Amino acid sequence: QSALTQPASVSGSPGQSITISCTGPMIDFDDYNYVSWYRQHPGKAPKLMIYDVSSRPTGVSNRFSGSKSGNTASLTISGLQAEDEADYYCCSFTNTHYDFGTGTKVTVL
Amino acid sequence: EVQLLESGGGLVNPGGSLRLSCTASGFTFGTYAMSWVRQAPGKGLDWVSGITDSGHYTYHADSVKGRFTISRDNFKNTLYLQMNSLRAEDTAAYYCAKLNGPVAGYGMDVWGQGTTVTVSS
Repeated sequence: QSALTQPASVSGSPGQSITISCTGPMIDFDDYNYVSWYRQHPGKAPKLMIYDVSSRPTGVSNRFSGSKSGNTASLTISGLQAEDEADYYCCSFTNTHYDFGTGTKVTVL
Repeated sequence: EVQLLESGGGLVNPGGSLRLSCTASGFTFGTYAMSWVRQAPGKGLDWVSGITDSGHYTYHADSVKGRFTISRDNFKNTLYLQMNSLRAEDTAAYYCAKLNGPVAGYGMDVWGQGTTVTVSS
């Protein structure tokens, strides 16, 4: 059972913005920055979209942004596009292990 | 091109063993930590094991501790996962992933295509 809770599904129309939440006890610490986000299309390997709460890897669109407040981290996708339809996972690192969130299916209407 | 290529998956009986390999190319393998992540059919991502750049420190999920061992050969640019005492619940696609730093805690910025392990009699 994951220590990180995400909504099972989020949907939006093309061009809209959506936000995926990720709640976990370790995220609540002010200096805790070990949160990353991954996108996974069906049958494909995951792809890193955000690391260290809000940093974007080279090549990832600036439509993707990350933030943290209290015990909740968030991934916001602005200007929703058809290609954004996928599963999204948050991930945290604590002491000696990683935890992945329960996963959120994003549907573009 | 930065690339990870897993191999070694297959069908194994419960209680059996399997060794997965992950061959890296396109980057300086010995300067990055690595991890194994698995995904059971229709399920979410599940972190399995991690290892620092030098291989001196290893980390395992509680679910595999004592059964799985992660290791690496920086001369061969290869990551390994030795899996013993396999159970039906270990059935999954296994991905190797490169971390974007030398130790645990960093994001996983490069992933292989995965290799499938099926534990069944």
